Amino acid sequence: DVKVTQSSRYLVKRTGEKVFLECVQDMDHENMFWYRQDPGLGLRLIYFSYDVKMKEKGDIPEGYSVSREKKERFSLILESASTNQTSMYLCASRGAGAQETQYFGPGTRLLVL
Amino acid sequence: RKEVEQDPGPFNVPEGATVAFNCTYSNSASQSFFWYRQDCRKEPKLLMSVYSSGNEDGRFTAQLNRASQYISLLIRDSKLSDSATYLCVVNSRGSGTYKYIFGTGTRLKVLA
Repeated sequence: DVKVTQSSRYLVKRTGEKVFLECVQDMDHENMFWYRQDPGLGLRLIYFSYDVKMKEKGDIPEGYSVSREKKERFSLILESASTNQTSMYLCASRGAGAQETQYFGPGTRLLVL
Repeated sequence: RKEVEQDPGPFNVPEGATVAFNCTYSNSASQSFFWYRQDCRKEPKLLMSVYSSGNEDGRFTAQLNRASQYISLLIRDSKLSDSATYLCVVNSRGSGTYKYIFGTGTRLKVLA
């Protein structure tokens, strides 16, 4: 059974703090993704990675960075958290083909005060 | 125009009803199509892939119309447990891999 795990289910941070969200998958998937989900806006892609040390910007990368030092782990970093980054953050992983199932982690609800 | 568009709903239907959702997409080069289901405060999970010839899984039927660029999901004999948000997903070739583009979802409430 595929597992995508995220380091925290809930986080409360203050404006200006550096925030690390970690994601680990156990299926040897090449691709990993970070999304945020907000009411009415759906899932928006922040960054993705198709290989170790490779990263590509998604649709809304501003204010975020990522790191993929190992195949199973993909980290999202908020360099200086702001209140407009309060959101649900979802990590996902997927194999390399065009018809692969994308598996999501349980999500991290981040509140920035 | 959004790449993937869905009616947000909510669709409120009685138990046992048949309900259908449509989703339109703008990229004619898209190759793969899916329906995901998301329960309240949970992560999205794959419901079914959508194949060119149409496919069925129990009470669920998915169809693809490439000419008009839409996919559909039909749910027969609705159950209370079908209440969820249904996300339409279309793939798009990106840098190094395929990107899955998610619609904003259609909310379904099945009423007793």
